[in-house]
Amino acid sequence: EPEVTQTPSHQVTQMGQEVILRCVPISNHLYFYWYRQILGQKVEFLVSFYNNEISEKSEIFDDQFSVERPDGSNFTLKIRSTKLEDSAMYFCASSDSGTSGSTDTQYFGPGTRLTVL
Amino acid sequence: QKEVEQNSGPLSVPEGAIASLNCTYSDRVSQSFFWYRQYSGKSPELIMSIYSNGDKEDGRFTAQLNKASQYVSLLIRDSQPSDSATYLCAVYSNSGYALNFGKGTSLLVTP
Repeated sequence: EPEVTQTPSHQVTQMGQEVILRCVPISNHLYFYWYRQILGQKVEFLVSFYNNEISEKSEIFDDQFSVERPDGSNFTLKIRSTKLEDSAMYFCASSDSGTSGSTDTQYFGPGTRLTVL
Repeated sequence: QKEVEQNSGPLSVPEGAIASLNCTYSDRVSQSFFWYRQYSGKSPELIMSIYSNGDKEDGRFTAQLNKASQYVSLLIRDSQPSDSATYLCAVYSNSGYALNFGKGTSLLVTP
């Protein structure tokens, strides 16, 4: 069964450093997402991406964050100048499509645990 | 900010019993509703989706949707210890791109 994959599973970084989290969405999916979950809190939407551009972003997704689809299979989240409060699980997800009022299921990857020291 | 509310629990049920999980949402125009299961330290895993009023059954799971009352529920029949997890209710935003999650209900099934 196709699945979303993410690397690395755990990333430790120093405050102020840049990190890149990587995801390989399900191959025939068209929409890609990043979510984060701070320990003990709810899953929060960060950004959605379609046709090589951001389709929606949350208030969390400020200038510190960027996303990119560098090739036909990878989808990345870059966090510049990391802060202690960026420590969280970051989940990538993908879906078949995401038109307004979508009913499509989002399938989640296993996550990357980011620890900022 | 559209809200999705869930009782955090923990909800404890004996093995073999029915577990009932509830979720309310604030946006009347929401059309798509999902239940995900999340084990500790793991990612959300889809259990069921529901789009129309009424019940939808899949194996031991039944999702129930009442758009007039703005609630969606998940029933788990014949609960097993392996069902012990946090159950997340999720609703699409108006734009159709973002899933808004509730905080989840922790379920404990005791042998």
